[in-house]
Formats: sequence, structure tokens, C-alpha cells
Amino acid sequence: AQKITQTQPGMFVQEKEAVTLDCTYDTSDQSYGLFWYKQPSSGEMIFLIYQGSYDEQNATEGRYSLNFQKARKSANLVISASQLGDSAMYFCAMREDYYGNNRLAFGKGNQVVVIP
Amino acid sequence: ETGVTQSPTHLIKTRGQQVTLRCSSQSGHNTVSWYQQALGQGPQFIFQYYREEENGRGNFPPRFSGLQFPNYSSELNVNALELDDSALYLCASSLPTSERETQYFGPGTRLLVL
Repeated sequence: AQKITQTQPGMFVQEKEAVTLDCTYDTSDQSYGLFWYKQPSSGEMIFLIYQGSYDEQNATEGRYSLNFQKARKSANLVISASQLGDSAMYFCAMREDYYGNNRLAFGKGNQVVVIP
Repeated sequence: ETGVTQSPTHLIKTRGQQVTLRCSSQSGHNTVSWYQQALGQGPQFIFQYYREEENGRGNFPPRFSGLQFPNYSSELNVNALELDDSALYLCASSLPTSERETQYFGPGTRLLVL
């Protein structure tokens, strides 16, 4: 069963506007972590932001923020003030085990193209 | 720059051959994970090495094997290559000292099997 769902089609965003990327997840664990990564065309996965399942506050890292709704099992990424360099694939990932088996389950990604 | 390096960057092999991919982890990181990313898909977990021992494996056949060395660098070996093994192979390093344990990825190796 797919654990991470990212279903939005490719998105075009005007430079300087905000964009929200949807991510829903499926787990029966109480303790888990959620990550967002950016993958430009070069291929490298770049870590953006982390949210722990017990974190009460939504995570923020510069222009990135995570809208975490635990009851709905969603962890949407918000990119504010989009820049041309934000054009990339964005992946949501979940880690279910701490300290034992740190494997990440990824979604299929969201394509974002920022236009001037 | 994450400090994680991978070699080679690109590789072309034919079906049935064997391949070895290499990864150097970020300084101080003792855990390396390998992922396979097929075109248009998210990465899939292959396995993880922690202090030179395999520490978890995904749904990949035994012809996918690995090693981790005392300096925490790692190799991914794939025997009897198949066309479906064509993918981007990513390694990631991490340090399991905190709840967060973020994985930092290298640039990947693009493997094409003909």
C-alpha cells in the first residue's frame, strides 16, 4: 500500500507568488517523521524541511513551511515568494522508525515550474 | 553541497553484467542508505548500512548487495543486470543521534542497462 500520496499534476507558479504542495500519508505508528526534499534536474535530493509527529508547531525553514494536520494525515509544503530556482520536483517522505531502521518512503513527487 | 559524493556519475552496462556504485558519506555520518529511483517515480529504499552492518532492506532481490567500509563509505553491487535496473541510484548518509536523523543525499549515479 502506498504510504505517501502526492497527486497534484505539474504546477506553474508565477515568480514571487506562494505555492502549496499536497502530501498525505498513511501510517499506524504514533511516532514518525515527515520530510520534504527538492530534486532539480541535476538529480540530487536536497533536504528542505522536517516535521516530527509529536511536534506541536508547524515547521518552518526560511521560505518553506509545513502545514501539518495530524488528524487528517497531511503534511503540505508551502513555498512563499517563489523564485526561478525553485523550479524542480518536490518529494514528500516519511520515516516510520526511530533509531532502528531509518528508511524513507517517498511519494511520486510534484513538478513545479516557476515562470517570470 | 551535502558532502556526500557518488561515483561514477553515469554508467552504461549491458544485460547480465555486474556493476559497482560507490558512495562517500558526509564527514561524521556512520549510516548510509541506498535508493533506486526509476524515471518518473520517487526513490525506493534498497538497504541501509550502519557501522558496516546491513541494517534494514527493502523489497529488492539478493542480486542487490552492499558493503560499508570502516571509513563509512559504501558500495552498491548489482549482479546479473536487467533492463529494469536502469535508474538513478542515490545514496544518503545520516547520523542516528537524534529523533530527526535527516538523510543527506549525494548527486546520484545514472545507470543505463542495454
